[in-house]
Amino acid sequence: DSGVTQTPKHLITATGQRVTLRCSPRSGDLSVYWYQQSLDQGLQFLIQYYNGEERAKGNILERFSAQQFPDLHSELNLSSLELGDSALYFCASSETIYNEQFFGPGTRLTVL
Amino acid sequence: QKEVEQDPGPLSVPEGAIVSLNCTYSNSAFQYFMWYRQYSRKGPELLMYTYSSGNKEDGRFTAQVDKSSKYISLFIRDSQPSDSATYLCAISNTGNQFYFGTGTSLTVIP
Repeated sequence: DSGVTQTPKHLITATGQRVTLRCSPRSGDLSVYWYQQSLDQGLQFLIQYYNGEERAKGNILERFSAQQFPDLHSELNLSSLELGDSALYFCASSETIYNEQFFGPGTRLTVL
Repeated sequence: QKEVEQDPGPLSVPEGAIVSLNCTYSNSAFQYFMWYRQYSRKGPELLMYTYSSGNKEDGRFTAQVDKSSKYISLFIRDSQPSDSATYLCAISNTGNQFYFGTGTSLTVIP
């Protein structure tokens, strides 16, 4: 158990809908990262937050947004969902931006 | 060109074999190198974390970084069936961007 928690574990929704994925980092970690993992794309870095501020952006679509709250938990919002958004979404946290990342168990999103 | 390339395998070895997993990367600016193990449908688990060139050993695992060749390796000695998983290499430059390889699927046969 890495200490990173993600909810929900599974999410099934329809195209065009909006969902919110939640992540709680390890105690003491200030940095949160979001990743998307699909079968054909591997693990893709989406976005990073550090102590409430956006730190770096990867391959995140404009339909996706995220934020990190004062208590350091983070939410990833996915809107106008498409079939291709079906994937595992992982959150990871680290103590600072230079430390190793620890991954949560992931949220499996299925868009029908 | 992708920032990091990894042979997807799959790789199948007998129990007790030495396993070599490799990645190449494109930009010499990358300074942090990591190896993760991922069991099916689980979150990646950090195995090794290294900075700059050289070797780092942890039990049966050895991570090797050759910055001159832009080549990183993970060696697993005395491989066990429990090592069967997908192994992901990852690289980072000063914490701004993170790039993962596509993963190598390893099966250790008892």
